[in-house]
Amino acid sequence: TQLLEQSPQFLSIQEGENLTVYCNSSSVFSSLQWYRQEPGEGPVLLVTVVTGGEVKKLKRLTFQFGDARKDSSLHITAAQPGDTGLYLCAGAAGGTSYGKLTFGQGTILTVHP
Amino acid sequence: SQTIHQWPATLVQPVGSPLSLECTVEGTSNPNLYWYRQAAGRGLQLLFYSVGIGQISSEVPQNLSASRPQDRQFILSSKKLLLSDSGFYLCACLEEWPYEQYFGPGTRLTVT
Repeated sequence: TQLLEQSPQFLSIQEGENLTVYCNSSSVFSSLQWYRQEPGEGPVLLVTVVTGGEVKKLKRLTFQFGDARKDSSLHITAAQPGDTGLYLCAGAAGGTSYGKLTFGQGTILTVHP
Repeated sequence: SQTIHQWPATLVQPVGSPLSLECTVEGTSNPNLYWYRQAAGRGLQLLFYSVGIGQISSEVPQNLSASRPQDRQFILSSKKLLLSDSGFYLCACLEEWPYEQYFGPGTRLTVT
C-alpha cells in the first residue's frame, strides 16, 4: 500500500510570508498532483509533475518533484489571504493501478491579512 | 474538457434510511470514475472506482455500494445509513495520462 505523508497539517501565517508544504513517500510515483480545495467545494487541480527533479511555477507557487519521484514540495512566495485553503498532494502509481491516486492528509493554510 | 455534476449538493438523512447520490460526466467517453469520502476537510478516502459500465471495484468494506448503469453515470447507494456515513462525498473522473483526476462539486451528507 502506498502512503503519502504530507506536512505540516496546519499553517497559519501573515500575509507576505513564504511557506513550504512537503509530501513524502517511500514509494515511487508515475506522476504527482497538487490540488487546492475551498470549504464545501471539490478539489481543483493546480499542477501535475511527472519527471524526477522537475520544477513547475504557477505565479507565486513553485512545485518540485524529487529526483527519485518519491517526494514533492509546494512553495508559496509572499502568501496572500486568497491563498487560504486546503492543499492536497496526490500520487499516481501508474501501470495497472487504474489511475487510482494516493492522497496526502492535506495542509490547511490560513493567511492572515 | 470534462465537467462533473453531482447531486444533491447537500442531504440530511436519518439513520436507517436509504441513500442515492448521483454523479454524471460530460465532455468525455468511457472514463474511469471514482467515489471518495472526505472527513472534516482532510485527505480523501477512495471508496469505489469503475473502469466501465457495470464494472465496480470496492476499496474498503463498508455500508455503501456503487453502480454504473451508463457510461457517464456513477451512483453511490446505501440501503440503511449509519451515523458514520456522514461526510463529504466527491466524484472524480480520470484523464488517462498523466493520471489527473478532476472532481465534481461534492455532496455534503449528514446522517442524524
